Amino acid sequence: QQPVQSPQAVILREGEDAVINCSSSKALYSVHWYRQKHGEAPVFLMILLKGGEQKGHEKISASFNEKKQQSSLYLTASQLSYSGTYFCGTEPRKSGGGADGLTFGKGTHLIIQP
Amino acid sequence: NAGVMQNPRHLVRRRGQEARLRCSPMKGHSHVYWYRQLPEEGLKFMVYLQKENIIDESGMPKERFSAEFPKEGPSILRIQQVVRGDSAAYFCASSPGTGSLGYTFGSGTRLTVV
Repeated sequence: QQPVQSPQAVILREGEDAVINCSSSKALYSVHWYRQKHGEAPVFLMILLKGGEQKGHEKISASFNEKKQQSSLYLTASQLSYSGTYFCGTEPRKSGGGADGLTFGKGTHLIIQP
Repeated sequence: NAGVMQNPRHLVRRRGQEARLRCSPMKGHSHVYWYRQLPEEGLKFMVYLQKENIIDESGMPKERFSAEFPKEGPSILRIQQVVRGDSAAYFCASSPGTGSLGYTFGSGTRLTVV
């Protein structure tokens, strides 16, 4: 099942904050976040494994609510370089342990204006 | 470290021809994943392979598509008798294992069927 991302698109001015949400209908083993610029490969940002885990990467951080099967990506004091499409990828929890390949959401387009 | 290498970068095929897409994972990575991306859409999972084994091919069309990851050499995604609907960007990603590790994506192969 494909995770659902919201919003579909965000337009910000440089320095503003954004939150991108990702929710799944399945119990999750992990959530990944990637950013893709137009015509380029997706780039790994971070992975969250445990319920409630928060990770940070410069001014980009994320949380994972295992109970709600949701993750949120937080971009603070956005910079022009943050523009791109953000994808969450989810690995469902398997009864036998371990995980399969990621299933990605449709992406959130982030446009940062000067 | 050369990263994930995909070739060719662009591939044009006439309807009915075969397309072969190659992916060399990062050094030390034994897990390979293939994804397909259409314009303005997310990454759609196709297949997950380890050396000489297909782990999950639930995203692969049943006909015309096949994938392999031999003991020696790159992973190959093969599309036989291509149709216009096969036109897309095909991304390969690799990781050293499942679970706590992010994927590294290649630059993709843009397939155009004319």
